[in-house]
Amino acid sequence: GQQLNQSPQSMFIQEGEDVSMNCTSSSIFNTWLWYKQDPGEGPVLLIALYKAGELTSNGRLTAQFGITRKDSFLNISASIPSDVGIYFCAGLSNNDMRFGAGTRLTVKP
Amino acid sequence: EAQVTQNPRYLITVTGKKLTVTCSQNMNHEYMSWYRQDPGLGLRQIYYSMNVEVTDKGDVPEGYKVSRKEKRNFPLILESPSPNQTSLYFCATGLAAYEQYFGPGTRLTVT
Repeated sequence: GQQLNQSPQSMFIQEGEDVSMNCTSSSIFNTWLWYKQDPGEGPVLLIALYKAGELTSNGRLTAQFGITRKDSFLNISASIPSDVGIYFCAGLSNNDMRFGAGTRLTVKP
Repeated sequence: EAQVTQNPRYLITVTGKKLTVTCSQNMNHEYMSWYRQDPGLGLRQIYYSMNVEVTDKGDVPEGYKVSRKEKRNFPLILESPSPNQTSLYFCATGLAAYEQYFGPGTRLTVT
């Protein structure tokens, strides 16, 4: 089945730096979601986007729903050590949920 | 406390021995789903349920069964597990598909 193309696969950054990751698909989605997964736990929803072009923030996180409805990006500003984890994008269309392979983020103090 | 619980959390079994992984939620959510997570592949949806007695196939339903006889429970059944079903399994629930809360995961090994 169609999975999403998420990049980069991994990132190593210094504390305080900004981070950007994105997700693309050949299919259109009605909703884009971004999750974070900590080791040994299930993913936690960070941001949900419901309209093409929508730009939404949650604290230091900002995400956008691409106008073509085939892509989305997530930015994290002024990273801190607790931002470490795996970030997943997900596209939802008619109750069919597809996930990207994840971006593993490492933040060096 | 709002909870999604999965049991067992860890399971090692042998090929062909039927098993059930339970999922239970106390949030009165209508939507429940099962995913498997494999390295490099992210999460893939196995089955989902919009409400009691309503289930639908996700991306990778082969080899799995589910049932939704009551709102709070959504068990995942492997009638004849095979080694390629070794994976990390997550149950998720929500008022709708766009707002899912994930359980803690069940790590299954089939030898």
